[in-house]
Formats: sequence, C-alpha cells, structure tokens
Amino acid sequence: SNVLTQPPSVSVAPGKTATITCGRDNIGSKSVHWYQQKPGQAPLLVIHYDTDRPSGIPERFSGSNSGNTATLTISMVEAGDEADYYCQVWDSDTNHVVFGGGTTLTVL
Amino acid sequence: DVQLMESGGGLVQPGGSVRLSCAASGFTFGTYAMSWVRQAPGKGLEWVAGISGNSVFRDYADSVKGRFTISRDNSKDTLFLEMNGLRADDTALYYCATYKGGGITSCFDFWGQGTLVSVSS
Repeated sequence: SNVLTQPPSVSVAPGKTATITCGRDNIGSKSVHWYQQKPGQAPLLVIHYDTDRPSGIPERFSGSNSGNTATLTISMVEAGDEADYYCQVWDSDTNHVVFGGGTTLTVL
Repeated sequence: DVQLMESGGGLVQPGGSVRLSCAASGFTFGTYAMSWVRQAPGKGLEWVAGISGNSVFRDYADSVKGRFTISRDNSKDTLFLEMNGLRADDTALYYCATYKGGGITSCFDFWGQGTLVSVSS
C-alpha cells in the first residue's frame, strides 16, 4: 500500500516532547519529509530527507525513519508549535508524491 | 526572496474549465521542477501534478489524470494548471510549490499562498 498513516491528533503539554508518526510498509527505504501548516497559512517544510532541518527551523524539530515508521519529534513544545503536520514521500513505484493524512498537534 | 503568486481561481460550474497560473520570482525558474498541490476545505494536502524544469516529465494524480494539464512558460517564469471537466470534489485551495533542489523526486521548499477553486452550480 502507498498510504501514509498518521494519527489524527496528538496533544502535549508545553515544555514536553511531541512525537508524530508516519507509517507505511518499509518506509525506512524512502526519504520522508515533514511539513507544518498553521491555520490560514501555506505549508512550511520543517524536516527533509528524514532528519535534515531547513535553514531557520529550530533544533527542537528532529526526524527519524526506520522500518515501517518515520517520526517527527518536537522537543520543548511551545504554544506556537500548534499546527497540522504532514509527512510526505516520493513513491518510486508510481512516480507520485504521497502525503500522509495529517496530524493536528494541540498544545495543552 | 522566492515568491510564488497563484491566480485564476474562482467559482466554476460542474463540468466547467479554469486555468490557474503561478507567477514565480526570486530564483532561476527554468531549472526547477514545479508542482500543484491542493487542499479541500478542512482536509489534508493532496498532490495534483508535477512538471520538470524542461517540461519533459509531467505526471498527475490518478484523481485528475485526463482532466488536468500542467504546463509552464520558462520565458515568463510562470506555471499553469489547465483544469477541465471540473467536479465538486475538485473544490480546493490550489498551491503551487517548488521542488527542493530542482528534482521531481524531492520535497517542496517554497509554496505560494494558494488560489481557491470552488465548483458548484
């Protein structure tokens, strides 16, 4: 299956660590990218190629990818991190871009 | 600074057509693959189509294949999306985006603010 499975929602208290997963068979063999989207704004790339942070993205954002799960980790969560987060891969079988369904991060 | 400015959206009747444009600036447009990504109201992101810098490679999501055509005019730094046979489920905010590093297998590092297409009678 080429579906990327994300939990619909994740809640975390300020200052704690948020973990958002993206699941697919053997996703560890692909490069995974993560986007943050706040209400009324375009998506923002926060992690590319599994672990790399674009310029300007805080070190609090990190990524990993192995086996059947890729993970976006946000440490020391702030209120401003509240947003929807999407994972994305390039599916070489179909030559298509695939997005996960998105995860809404709520900061309690 | 990279800027992407979409235009052309609006209210369209089912079965109708519309042409979206994306004016690019701040980078060497012709060397970058480009894409359209849409987002239905309250829903997630859906890739629509992609095109290589030289227009040799173009591909489409299954949901739009045969109805939408992606193209570009590198002399005018502009990306297009011709949309025909529009259906209610094509209603969405349409973003144009650049592929990071120029290649079509990459991620999207710059996005426009989107143009809204509403399909309704």
